[in-house]
Amino acid sequence: GAVVSQHPSRVICKSGTSVKIECRSLDFQATTMFWYRQFPKQSLMLMATSNEGSKATYEQGVEKDKFLINHASLTLSTLTVTSAHPEDSSFYICSARAGRGNTDTQYFGPGTRLTVL
Amino acid sequence: DAKTTQPPSMDCAEGRAANLPCNHSTISGNEYVYWYRQIHSQGPQYIIHGLKNNETNEMASLIITEDRKSSTLILPHATLRDTAVYYCIARSGGSNYKLTFGKGTLLTVNP
Repeated sequence: GAVVSQHPSRVICKSGTSVKIECRSLDFQATTMFWYRQFPKQSLMLMATSNEGSKATYEQGVEKDKFLINHASLTLSTLTVTSAHPEDSSFYICSARAGRGNTDTQYFGPGTRLTVL
Repeated sequence: DAKTTQPPSMDCAEGRAANLPCNHSTISGNEYVYWYRQIHSQGPQYIIHGLKNNETNEMASLIITEDRKSSTLILPHATLRDTAVYYCIARSGGSNYKLTFGKGTLLTVNP
């Protein structure tokens, strides 16, 4: 149980285009999902918290107009990188919260490798 | 959330137990200790978590000292596929929490 998927796993795009990444909780409902970014040889950095039915909460320094997050259902959150540039090339990972109280745990997707040319 | 300190790297022989330490000396009473691992180019994988009692599951055991200032993740019989970066994270209880990833420990399991 507690499986999170991401699509696509890898995407290459031209500078200036927009890219949408999907995150799905396959066997549980997640009112809260998270988006992380990881640059080479660095640790994961939280970008934003996505709550179903409400606006996402962005971490300091993350542009909300550039990284659009939509959490339209209890099993799906999307991250759209708008007008992508080479510096946006990174490994994007989502997670979803499962369980409650002491069993509340974040489960992570396999990640999406974005390369902007 | 309390800061955690882990050694940057460790080596272990295949088939032997891997003991990964974590220091969290400023942990507060309501903070849990979580362990995740990340195999190269994959998303982090949840391993185990605990509050003050030792915990065991099919993947690993978590030993938390009585004063809760440190813990050890034990992989009882390490395999080559256990080579990964292991993250120890202290997070508060309740629903509004975030996971803050440090640099973790790169465990290399050698044949």
